[in-house]
Amino acid sequence: NAGVMQNPRHLVRRRGQEARLRCSPVKGHSHVYWYRQLPEEGLKFMVYLQKENIIDESGMPKERFSAEFPKEGPSILRIQQVVRGDSAAYFCASSPWGGSSYYGYTFGSGTRLTVV
Amino acid sequence: GQQLNQSPQSMFIQEGEDVSMNCTSSSIFNTWLWYKQDPGEGPVLLIALYKAGELTSNGRLTAQFGITRKDSFLNISASIPSDVGIYFCAGLIMEYGNKLVFGAGTILRVKS
Repeated sequence: NAGVMQNPRHLVRRRGQEARLRCSPVKGHSHVYWYRQLPEEGLKFMVYLQKENIIDESGMPKERFSAEFPKEGPSILRIQQVVRGDSAAYFCASSPWGGSSYYGYTFGSGTRLTVV
Repeated sequence: GQQLNQSPQSMFIQEGEDVSMNCTSSSIFNTWLWYKQDPGEGPVLLIALYKAGELTSNGRLTAQFGITRKDSFLNISASIPSDVGIYFCAGLIMEYGNKLVFGAGTILRVKS
């Protein structure tokens, strides 16, 4: 299956720990997007990356959150010193280009982060 | 920032009924998208609309991009049980890059 792969599917962290969320885009896709979904809400944009570059991080909290998409390997969303308010579903999407053809824009199944 | 107002928030359907939901905004969008999300899964694209006034169908689903570019609707005809789930509208403003703005969703449930 060539879809967007996210892992882990579920992640439980204690307050103050670090959370690392991984996203492997569709093979051949070089654009990755991260979104956050709180319960009973729509998805909120966090960050848009191309290989080795952050293009738009306007939706990322200024502290504790970082994202990377290295030349080799998956994209990583890192949350340091997690707090209860970070509990949410985090979705990754990928596309083969940064254009407006959204038939190529595919979402993964998400990582559900629970902070206890 | 840009906001999409999606309604209704939830609705109950009986098999065979037609269903309608819509999204409105005070902002002008270049692209409107409709997604369905099943429990525990990511959103799956149903229909993409690129031009004002465009009416597009995908099986029993029909969506339109409003003339003012500030709204869109999705209709589902002759609903079936597997239509239950959460439907999201999403919009794109080219001037603001490739990030999608999502509505809060419409939850479709089956009448018992």
